[in-house]
Amino acid sequence: GENVEQHPSTLSVQEGDSAVIKCTYSDSASNYFPWYKQELGKGPQLIIDIRSNVGEKKDQRIAVTLNKTAKHFSLHITETQPEDSAVYFCATGGAAGNMLTFGGGTRLMVKP
Amino acid sequence: NAGVTQTPKFQVLKTGQSMTLQCAQDMNHEYMSWYRQDPGMGLRLIHYSVGAGITDQGEVPNGYNVSRSTTEDFPLRLLSAAPSQTSVYFCASSNRLGQYFGPGTRLLVL
Repeated sequence: GENVEQHPSTLSVQEGDSAVIKCTYSDSASNYFPWYKQELGKGPQLIIDIRSNVGEKKDQRIAVTLNKTAKHFSLHITETQPEDSAVYFCATGGAAGNMLTFGGGTRLMVKP
Repeated sequence: NAGVTQTPKFQVLKTGQSMTLQCAQDMNHEYMSWYRQDPGMGLRLIHYSVGAGITDQGEVPNGYNVSRSTTEDFPLRLLSAAPSQTSVYFCASSNRLGQYFGPGTRLLVL
């Protein structure tokens, strides 16, 4: 089955700096790549996703890039703010966007 | 829309007890699923359903049963709770725009 690895497991940045989280996957059939943000005591919240027919997608301060040949995708957060502090998960799935396989998570800490 | 709702928020069970975790969504999504999240780990798929009357196993189905009699509801049953089932359980529903999670049920099995 699919295996998703996520790095780093923890990331500490200064407010205003950029943060990058990377994921690799094993199943070449995966073609849906969402990112979730999870705050303490809450469920994961979908923040951005990308499908295999595009290489990059941006939404304000967050962007996701995808390299299907190398089987890796990344989350980029620019101009980080303290409220960006949370655990971020990458995931992969099929075309229908369900049956997700998750990475292990990255705890992002943004220091004021 | 309330989105995805889960009850209870927190539950303590003794080994061998049974219980049902409730999940409901009001977005008319066909697809629903259950995940468990253990400390320091990502979410792992337990069971899923592609529509009313259809369920299937995910990555870690042992010890859990599900049913899907309506589009809105997708309960998860623990028949005989074990300490290894101590976890946080998330229900999700999805359409082609994405998968959306409930707030979770924290379960402690003693």
